[in-house]
Amino acid sequence: DAGVTQSPTHLIKTRGQQVTLRCSPKSGHDTVSWYQQALGQGPQFIFQYYEEEERQRGNFPDRFSGHQFPNYSSELNVNALLLGDSALYLCASSERGLGGQETQYFGPGTRLLVL
Amino acid sequence: GESVGLHLPTLSVQEGDNSIINCAYSNSASDYFIWYKQESGKGPQFIIDIRSNMDKRQGQRVTVLLNKTVKHLSLQIAATQPGDSAVYFCAETYNAGNMLTFGGGTRLMVKP
Repeated sequence: DAGVTQSPTHLIKTRGQQVTLRCSPKSGHDTVSWYQQALGQGPQFIFQYYEEEERQRGNFPDRFSGHQFPNYSSELNVNALLLGDSALYLCASSERGLGGQETQYFGPGTRLLVL
Repeated sequence: GESVGLHLPTLSVQEGDNSIINCAYSNSASDYFIWYKQESGKGPQFIIDIRSNMDKRQGQRVTVLLNKTVKHLSLQIAATQPGDSAVYFCAETYNAGNMLTFGGGTRLMVKP
């Protein structure tokens, strides 16, 4: 059973460019959440997708957008990249159920470097 | 906003000893807590979770304790091994939402 997978593993972009990161959830999971983890810090919640809609959003600007596909996979898009966007981007998947306390399982992340 | 925090940024223990990693949370509405382990270059790995209606939960070599009175969470690792060396994060969520709020992490170093 494959866990959460993310692509690419590493990416280098320059300021002002746009980037798309991809995530495939764990088998049986229907909810995908994205987090940004700066070096030496804990992950920060960006947003969550369920049933192809953004359900919850953290304190991130509109430059950060996403999408969820019918097969539950997801993309994270970041426009007009800034140096400060350099971070590890983590995808986590879960199975939505009653109570909203479904365990989130993380992928290996995509390391983004903005020059 | 409210967030989860940790008391100790780095913990160094001898192989075979027990480790205790602490975490303080400030949101009294938090009802679900999770401990994750993150090794260098990898994503956070689920270790153990606990719901607010419990005080203690045990797994294989790990125990999580929850003290809601003082808003404190701890992770105990028995017979710590070199493979336990990593950064440990506690995370919390509330109000049936799935947004996890993470603390800054504690680095556990196991000396052989």
